[in-house]
Formats: sequence, C-alpha cells, structure tokens
Amino acid sequence: QKEVEQDPGPLSVPEGAIVSLNCTYSNSAFQYFMWYRQYSRKGPELLMYTYSSGNKEDGRFTAQVDKSSKYISLFIRDSQPSDSATYLCAMKDNYGQNFVFGPGTRLSVLP
Amino acid sequence: SAVISQKPSRDICQRGTSLTIQCQVDSQVTMMFWYRQQPGQSLTLIATANQGSEATYESGFVIDKFPISRPNLTFSTLTVSNMSPEDSSIYLCSVGDGLLGNQPQHFGDGTRLSIL
Repeated sequence: QKEVEQDPGPLSVPEGAIVSLNCTYSNSAFQYFMWYRQYSRKGPELLMYTYSSGNKEDGRFTAQVDKSSKYISLFIRDSQPSDSATYLCAMKDNYGQNFVFGPGTRLSVLP
Repeated sequence: SAVISQKPSRDICQRGTSLTIQCQVDSQVTMMFWYRQQPGQSLTLIATANQGSEATYESGFVIDKFPISRPNLTFSTLTVSNMSPEDSSIYLCSVGDGLLGNQPQHFGDGTRLSIL
C-alpha cells in the first residue's frame, strides 16, 4: 500500500460545479496536511495547509481532514476554468522528517 | 513569498552525458530541496541541500549520480551525471520560508529533461 493515495483522474466538471478532491493515507503520524496546485508546465504552488483534524476555508477553497478515517479532501466551490490544474496533496508528521506528496489529481473545468 | 528561477527549462541530452540544473532564489533560504517528478507519480525527493554542508540524499539517490552544490543561501545546482533514458523526468527545485517549518513550499517551474 502506498503511503499516500490519490485518484489520478482526469476529473472533468462543468464550470460552476462543486469539486471534491481526495487523498487517503496510511501513516497515522501525519499531522500537517497540504494541498498544492500545479498548472501545466509550472511548479506546484501551495494552496492550503491544515494542522490535525477539522476544516479550513479560504475563499472558494475548503480543506477538510478526517484523521480517524485517514482521509483528506479539498473542495472547490463555483469552479472556474482557471481552476483546471493538477492538485497534489501532501502531508508530514510533527517532526518534519517524513514529508510525502500524493501523485496528484488532474482537474478540468469546462466552460 | 520566494521566487525561484530554474535553468534550463528543458533540454534534450545524449546518453552518457551530464547536465547541470541551476536554481536561483530571490531571498536567502536555509534549505533547498531537489525533487523529481515523473508522469503519474508523486514528487520524489532527491536530496536536501543546506548551505555550507554536504547535501542529504534520500534512499535510492547517490551523490555520484546527482552531485549537488550549495555555495550560498540563494543558489544551488543539481547535476544529473552519466544520463540514461531512465533519467528522463522533470526536476524541480523547492524552498521553504518558514510557513511549513522549512519544508518545501515554493517551487521553480522545473527542468524537463529528455535523454535520447
């Protein structure tokens, strides 16, 4: 079992839809959870990060962590064509010795 | 936030040759990270480079194959040596600026490397 798993997609949605992107993980020591967005031919950029369980909201983006299920989600409301990108989850433990990326989900928002 | 310039953006190289990738940051950073990204796979950490000390390599990566320099707090290079087609990949430089506790936060746009 890989340490972090993510559906590679591609996920295609119409403009305005609510998008749900998810990752599962196996290491219960992970405490910090990050989402990066990567446009084609660009490097990843940090979108959001959360500590431990719960929700965090930033504009149209909401990050959700369920540590009991080892499951994290990124929700995008009112999705736009400019949201079309690959979304990578990442996570690390408290000591920062183990920082792991998921393989990414490719999202296409169709106008 | 840190801005990273990475050169070259892409290259096509012959088997057995070496290529040096440069990473320039617009601010001083303690730790710089070199990653490899292959299609459909996770970002894989090659090594972490601190200024003034030897780079720390991850399992499966060795200094002879991927020598790294870190001459100051704003610059690093990664060399891919004696290249083979298996080295075809995207190589990314990354830095942290404290938000994630010196973990990779900002990335360059990568170097797309193809080996013939």
